[in-house]
Amino acid sequence: AQSVTQLDSQVPVFEEAPVELRCNYSSSVSVYLFWYVQYPNQGLQLLLKYLSGSTLVKGINGFEAEFNKSQTSFHLRKPSVHISDTAEYFCAVGITQGGSEKLVFGKGTKLTVNP
Amino acid sequence: DADVTQTPRNRITKTGKRIMLECSQTKGHDRMYWYRQDPGLGLRLIYYSFDVKDINKGEISDGYSVSRQAQAKFSLSLESAIPNQTALYFCATSDLRDGYEQYFGPGTRLTVT
Repeated sequence: AQSVTQLDSQVPVFEEAPVELRCNYSSSVSVYLFWYVQYPNQGLQLLLKYLSGSTLVKGINGFEAEFNKSQTSFHLRKPSVHISDTAEYFCAVGITQGGSEKLVFGKGTKLTVNP
Repeated sequence: DADVTQTPRNRITKTGKRIMLECSQTKGHDRMYWYRQDPGLGLRLIYYSFDVKDINKGEISDGYSVSRQAQAKFSLSLESAIPNQTALYFCATSDLRDGYEQYFGPGTRLTVT
């Protein structure tokens, strides 16, 4: 079964520091990868996605992720975080199961940016 | 105005009660989904529907039922609520042309006492 592992459940970091949120996936076929962000008391919002092409994907709010096929990873990075980046981040893989396209989510990483 | 809306946003109910959560969308998407979110468990798929006549079970459908009343409306029912159904519930939509990308509503926080 295809799955997503987010290696850190919580990541504390100071404002203006760099951050990396780690995501590994298992998939034997074509890979479609996503990062979503959930701000407090809100729904999920798409940060970025990898469907094909360049392995470095840029998203909103200065985030980027790199698809690494050999490492089966899709880590999310930001060179300098802000207080407003405090949120929960979910990695997801798109799968086709029984002819239906679905997303399988990781368990999430809570990013806390401290002043 | 939000493209995907959920009502109610918060609900407290008692064990054994029937409750319905509603989702409406103005995106014109055919595909709709219901997830539950529990701390530390991420999002798990309950049911999904690819058009009005198509309903499919997700990974955790036991204790839940759904109704797709129209292209824009997808309701989730708990026939007899139990405390371990306390969770945050999300509705999402997608379009065939967008592939796997989904658009989420703001969520309904349900507490079963």
